[in-house]
Amino acid sequence: QKEVEQDPGPLSVPEGAIVSLNCTYSNSAFQYFMWYRQYSRKGPELLMYTYSSGNKEDGRFTAQVDKSSKYISLFIRDSQPSDSATYLCAMSLNAGNNRKLIWGLGTSLAVNP
Amino acid sequence: NAGVMQNPRHLVRRRGQEARLRCSPMKGHSHVYWYRQLPEEGLKFMVYLQKENIIDESGMPKERFSAEFPKEGPSILRIQQVVRGDSAAYFCASSPGGGVPYEQYFGPGTRLTVT
Repeated sequence: QKEVEQDPGPLSVPEGAIVSLNCTYSNSAFQYFMWYRQYSRKGPELLMYTYSSGNKEDGRFTAQVDKSSKYISLFIRDSQPSDSATYLCAMSLNAGNNRKLIWGLGTSLAVNP
Repeated sequence: NAGVMQNPRHLVRRRGQEARLRCSPMKGHSHVYWYRQLPEEGLKFMVYLQKENIIDESGMPKERFSAEFPKEGPSILRIQQVVRGDSAAYFCASSPGGGVPYEQYFGPGTRLTVT
């Protein structure tokens, strides 16, 4: 079983739709939960992070963490064609020198005009 | 402020040759991380380095792979005697000293193809 599970999609939605992306994980010791966006042939770019549980909002993006269910979500409101990319969740223990990120496979999103 | 730089962007090697991938961190960053991305496996952590020190190499294959981050110059990921299975995108990230995991800023990657 992978430490982090993420449905690779692809996911195709019309412009303006609300997009819901999610990951599940098995290691209850994870403390930091991140969402990255990756365009084709580019490096990952941090969108949002959350420490421990709760919600965080930034413009059209909302990140949620439910540690009791080991489940995290990213919501994109009023989706735009420019949001078309692969969305990766990543998690970390951040214990001492352990700063490695553990990644989901990524979900490919296409927003159609 | 230039971001993380990686070169070459594309590298083709024949089986058995050596591959050297370079990473220049963001200005002021003293920590470097290497990740490998394979289509069916996603991104995997390989190694975490500070200047002149390997902090965590738990993701590095035991053979043929090595990494360094010298006092001067870029970080180098070296793959000896490459095999077809080494074909992947290799990403470098950098962060300021200490800090939190979300402060890893990624470069554009080096795409290695082994023929």
